[in-house]
Amino acid sequence: RKEVEQDPGPFNVPEGATVAFNCTYSNSASQSFFWYRQDCRKEPKLLMSVYSSGNEDGRFTAQLNRASQYISLLIRDSKLSDSATYLCVVNGGGGADGLTFGKGTHLIIQP
Amino acid sequence: DAGVIQSPRHEVTEMGQEVTLRCKPISGHDYLFWYRQTMMRGLELLIYFNNNVPIDDSGMPEDRFSAKMPNASFSTLKIQPSEPRDSAVYFCASSFGYEAFFGQGTRLTVV
Repeated sequence: RKEVEQDPGPFNVPEGATVAFNCTYSNSASQSFFWYRQDCRKEPKLLMSVYSSGNEDGRFTAQLNRASQYISLLIRDSKLSDSATYLCVVNGGGGADGLTFGKGTHLIIQP
Repeated sequence: DAGVIQSPRHEVTEMGQEVTLRCKPISGHDYLFWYRQTMMRGLELLIYFNNNVPIDDSGMPEDRFSAKMPNASFSTLKIQPSEPRDSAVYFCASSFGYEAFFGQGTRLTVV
């Protein structure tokens, strides 16, 4: 079965710092990659898609390394509101088939 | 659109009872997913449908679990008989492409 691995953390980071975490996936045929954010006792929500060329959305940067089969998420100038669990999601076969979630990385931003 | 709607939001039941969880996907979405989330195992895909047809049910833990999608706007996940180890948050999600939109989940407690 496809696997997606993440460091569960928690990552304790002071406000304003930069934090990065990676996710590795085992299925080399995986075609689509995403980062989802999940707040405590809430449903996961899409944070950003991850493109081969890398992409940036404000303070968030996502990158894909197909050769090493990992994706990364970088958060700059972290805010208290960034505290959440970040889920790495890999789609193995195109379309919406086979969405596989990592167990998430727990991030705590400290004042 | 109101998003993915799940009911009930919370369910407490006694071991051995039948439990039925309900989901209304976003109109127009052709994929529907059922996930289960626990602290130990993270977010696990149980089953997903494409155009109301079950495509992959390999994540269904055992025969006590069954899921149906009689039409494009409704799906159920049934557990019969329920056991304490079934206690978890059950999420339904729908998609028309790559991004999956989640419902708010049903928190199930089996005592």
